[in-house]
Amino acid sequence: KAGVTQTPRYLIKTRGQQVTLSCSPISGHRSVSWYQQTPGQGLQFLFEYFSETQRNKGNFPGRFSGRQFSNSRSEMNVSTLELGDSALYLCASSSRQGSGANVLTFGAGSRLTVL
Amino acid sequence: QKEVEQNSGPLSVPEGAIASLNCTYGDRGSQSFFWYRQYSGKSPELIMSIYSNGDKEDGRFTAQLNKASQYVSLLIRDSQPSDSATYLCAVLFGNEKLTFGTGTRLTIIP
Repeated sequence: KAGVTQTPRYLIKTRGQQVTLSCSPISGHRSVSWYQQTPGQGLQFLFEYFSETQRNKGNFPGRFSGRQFSNSRSEMNVSTLELGDSALYLCASSSRQGSGANVLTFGAGSRLTVL
Repeated sequence: QKEVEQNSGPLSVPEGAIASLNCTYGDRGSQSFFWYRQYSGKSPELIMSIYSNGDKEDGRFTAQLNKASQYVSLLIRDSQPSDSATYLCAVLFGNEKLTFGTGTRLTIIP
């Protein structure tokens, strides 16, 4: 069973640019969550999508947005990048039903550097 | 109180000893609790989940939950150098948002 796939793994952008990150969940998982990880703040919840609908949202500015497609793949977008957006962006999928409903399986992450 | 609190460490434990990791949370209505392990440069991976008060054992790992005290812990018996990692406590709150603590960095000393 393939795991959670995130692309790209590494990227470098400059301030003011925008970036789109992609996440393919485990087959059969309908929930995709996004987290930002930085050394000082730890894992911060961005948002969760389930069946193409945003189910939960964290406390991030509107520059951070996401969406989910009918095949459960998800993308997140950050516009007008700031230096502080440099972080590891982790995507995680879960089934949200049945046994182990809320267990998250993480992808390898996308490391974003903003110069 | 912060939503999920952990001692950031570092926590140093001799090889073969018991490592004890602690976590407190702020929402009395929480029902699901998880421990994740994250090696440096890697993504978090699930070690244990616990949903009821008491102890849950899986190999060398034991998770302990006390909902009245809003406290969850992870014990690692016979600690090995390969257990050196950051351990993340995660709590599923009533709004179904899984919230992580900042993690405890554990080092097992050979």
